[in-house]
Amino acid sequence: DAKTTQPNSMESNEEEPVHLPCNHSTISGTDYIHWYRQLPSQGPEYVIHGLTSNVNNRMASLAIAEDRKSSTLILHRATLRDAAVYYCIPLGSNYKLTFGKGTLLTVNP
Amino acid sequence: NAGVTQTPKFQVLKTGQSMTLQCAQDMNHEYMSWYRQDPGMGLRLIHYSVGAGITDQGEVPNGYNVSRSTTEDFPLRLLSAAPSQTSVYFCASSYRCFFGSSYNEQFFGPGTRLTVL
Repeated sequence: DAKTTQPNSMESNEEEPVHLPCNHSTISGTDYIHWYRQLPSQGPEYVIHGLTSNVNNRMASLAIAEDRKSSTLILHRATLRDAAVYYCIPLGSNYKLTFGKGTLLTVNP
Repeated sequence: NAGVTQTPKFQVLKTGQSMTLQCAQDMNHEYMSWYRQDPGMGLRLIHYSVGAGITDQGEVPNGYNVSRSTTEDFPLRLLSAAPSQTSVYFCASSYRCFFGSSYNEQFFGPGTRLTVL
């Protein structure tokens, strides 16, 4: 399984953009990069995923480096509800998610 | 759709007792899995199933049994509870087709908080 490196914690102000980085230098060529987040006292929820191209959905954008060794999750306007632990997970065809410790995002009002 | 449901929400056991954590989904998902989350840690995979009648071990399977007799249900059995099994347990499910598509999003239940004394 590919190893990932994420900052332990980050802080943002409400209404400002947030860029959450992830290094996955050992990722396999066929692994998709998935992001999940876990709000306090809840189960994880899917945020976004991609393979090579940048991706957008209603929750966030995902920017993937050309060499695929890193990616950045972008929350365009952070809200208090976005305070959570964010996990970057390379996912292969075995569908097994391997969670690291993730990044704890604090959003200040 | 109710999504992924787990029961009970909370449970306290004594060392050596056995119990079953229930997980059900109504989305006709083929893939189901169980994770445990210890304080300050990420989730670790216990067991998973790619369809009815098929199960396999994850990262931390010792002390747990699973079976998958229907598509909807995936119970997790603790055979003889130990304090080291004190944790929050999450069940998840997803479609298992078209790898890489948005259909592979995994849906997680609300969790069962288990304490073993």
